[in-house]
Amino acid sequence: RKEVEQDPGPFNVPEGATVAFNCTYSNSASQSFFWYRQDCRKEPKLLMSVYSSGNEDGRFTAQLNRASQYISLLIRDSKLSDSATYLCAVKPGNQFYFGTGTSLTVIP
Amino acid sequence: DGGITQSPKYLFRKEGQNVTLSCEQNLNHDAMYWYRQDPGQGLRLIYYSQIVNDFQKGDIAEGYSVSREKKESFPLTVTSAQKNPTAFYLCASSIQGLNYNEQFFGPGTRLTVL
Repeated sequence: RKEVEQDPGPFNVPEGATVAFNCTYSNSASQSFFWYRQDCRKEPKLLMSVYSSGNEDGRFTAQLNRASQYISLLIRDSKLSDSATYLCAVKPGNQFYFGTGTSLTVIP
Repeated sequence: DGGITQSPKYLFRKEGQNVTLSCEQNLNHDAMYWYRQDPGQGLRLIYYSQIVNDFQKGDIAEGYSVSREKKESFPLTVTSAQKNPTAFYLCASSIQGLNYNEQFFGPGTRLTVL
């Protein structure tokens, strides 16, 4: 079983829509969780860490559900500039494990 | 400016040749990592190092070698033993010893074997 699994999409949504991504992880000992954004042919860039209590940064909200072992990312009022691939990452020990990414395209 | 640099950005290699990818960071991070990314497969860990002069194999270490002689530097050698080396190689670093120690990535090196 993979350490981290994501729906690859693609998600095609109109501007202004709300979209949510989920990411499941297999290691219940995982302590740290992250969402990264990756643009085409570029390196991943940290979008936000995911804290137990959930956290929000502008239009982005991240949540953690330890009981069901998944993290989520909600994007409200989607902008064209949100088009990218979103990777989740989980850190159960010294290694980071990344999902394969979910592709988002925001359509005018 | 603090950050991670990787060079070269693009690299072409003939089959049977070894090649070394550079990774330097000035973030004073203890831990450094090498990943490769192939289309549809996400990031796969090759090697990581938590401290100078020490490193561990990741999930796909075969055909690769690393060294960590300085805190700032973590070069990756792709040897001729790596059967399918064409990929996007990403170096990352993070602070060691904290739970929420996010990884930061360099711009990557695209290696193509001709």
